[in-house]
Amino acid sequence: DTEVTQTPKHLVMGMTNKKSLKCEQHMGHRAMYWYKQKAKKPPELMFVYSYEKLSINESVPSRFSPECPNSSLLNLHLHALQPEDSALYLCASSQGTRWGPRGYEQYFGPGTRLTVT
Amino acid sequence: SQQGEEDPQALSIQEGENATMNCSYKTSINNLQWYRQNSGRGLVHLILIRSNEREKHSGRLRVTLDTSKKSSSLLITASRAADTASYFCATDADYGNKLVFGAGTILRVKS
Repeated sequence: DTEVTQTPKHLVMGMTNKKSLKCEQHMGHRAMYWYKQKAKKPPELMFVYSYEKLSINESVPSRFSPECPNSSLLNLHLHALQPEDSALYLCASSQGTRWGPRGYEQYFGPGTRLTVT
Repeated sequence: SQQGEEDPQALSIQEGENATMNCSYKTSINNLQWYRQNSGRGLVHLILIRSNEREKHSGRLRVTLDTSKKSSSLLITASRAADTASYFCATDADYGNKLVFGAGTILRVKS
């Protein structure tokens, strides 16, 4: 199974709402990622989890709160978002994270299209 | 910050023609990867080339890497309408498999 699943596919939320995005993979990957992608732009890294520990936070505002309950699951909790946070949120996973030339390809989910009203 | 820059920004070709996309980057890298994204969907990994490799093939794809010029190219041969998508290069320069994506090339293949 080489699939990364994300739920929900679409989400509309008000600025005072609290919601969560979910991501799941069953490939035994030990690294998981959240990206934000605006229309006609490349994905921008938000968070990296390695072995269930947060290893990279790209100075993301605290209204985005990631959580990794276990090695297969990744959540992104959303609270008090702004309209400019509307975007496609992509989850990805990779076999590992290791410095050096080997590198690992990342497997992406289909994304959650988020609209903040 | 954005590491890779790609050109052209958009490319429109006829089915059966070859498509070439270029990517330039700024710092030393461990490897460079190419991804495809169909409209509004997730990215699909195409190919990874390591910094000590110069060329790599996968089916109709050919990737070259010139570390002296800090540039890479992706060639898709005998293009098909299904190749219509956005193509991104991504570089892995830092510890933690942190990928930085280029701006992307939008490829349209007309049938």
